[in-house]
Amino acid sequence: DARVTQTPRHKVTEMGQEVTMRCQPILGHNTVFWYRQTMMQGLELLAYFRNRAPLDDSGMPKDRFSAEMPDATLATLKIQPSEPRDSAVYFCASGLVPRGVLKRDSSYEQYFGPGTRLTVT
Amino acid sequence: QKEVEQNSGPLSVPEGAIASLNCTYSDRGSQSFFWYRQYSGKSPELIMSIYSNGDKEDGRFTAQLNKASQYVSLLIRDSQPSDSATYLCAVRSGGYNKLIFGAGTRLAVHP
Repeated sequence: DARVTQTPRHKVTEMGQEVTMRCQPILGHNTVFWYRQTMMQGLELLAYFRNRAPLDDSGMPKDRFSAEMPDATLATLKIQPSEPRDSAVYFCASGLVPRGVLKRDSSYEQYFGPGTRLTVT
Repeated sequence: QKEVEQNSGPLSVPEGAIASLNCTYSDRGSQSFFWYRQYSGKSPELIMSIYSNGDKEDGRFTAQLNKASQYVSLLIRDSQPSDSATYLCAVRSGGYNKLIFGAGTRLAVHP
């Protein structure tokens, strides 16, 4: 059963604490995305990796957020220090973009994990 | 102007009717279009993708794309109460996988 997994599913922390969220993409997928969803802003892209290399993190507040892929089976999103405005649901998604020019229609599909609901008090 | 626009709803339809969800996008160079369904408290689930002008059918779902009008829609035939959810339109532009999501349309199917 191939699916994206995320841990923890829920996290409550105090302002100023470090938060680390983890994501395991679908085995064989080579792209990983971090999104944040709030009622006010909807779904926002924070960072994007392809073959473990960061390609776009323009949506991420650089002073407190960092995203990494230590290996092909793990992506992490860290917030240090956390603030109440960081309270949101954080989703990880993965996809497969084949190498080369020829790409199938399904090349750009993204599959979401269950999310981490973060509350910063 | 938002890059991907959807009516927030709620769109209320009776059970058995056709639900029609619409989405417009601003980047004329957009190449791939997706519909995701998101139940309350759950993650977005991919239900349809469309890449060429015209219609694409999958079961009770039909996606329609008109690139000239920069318009994509999702039709749900024989709507069921279990279809009640928020439907997110997503558009891919440029050379990467980056998707831009609309704010979503909330659909309510009542018995």
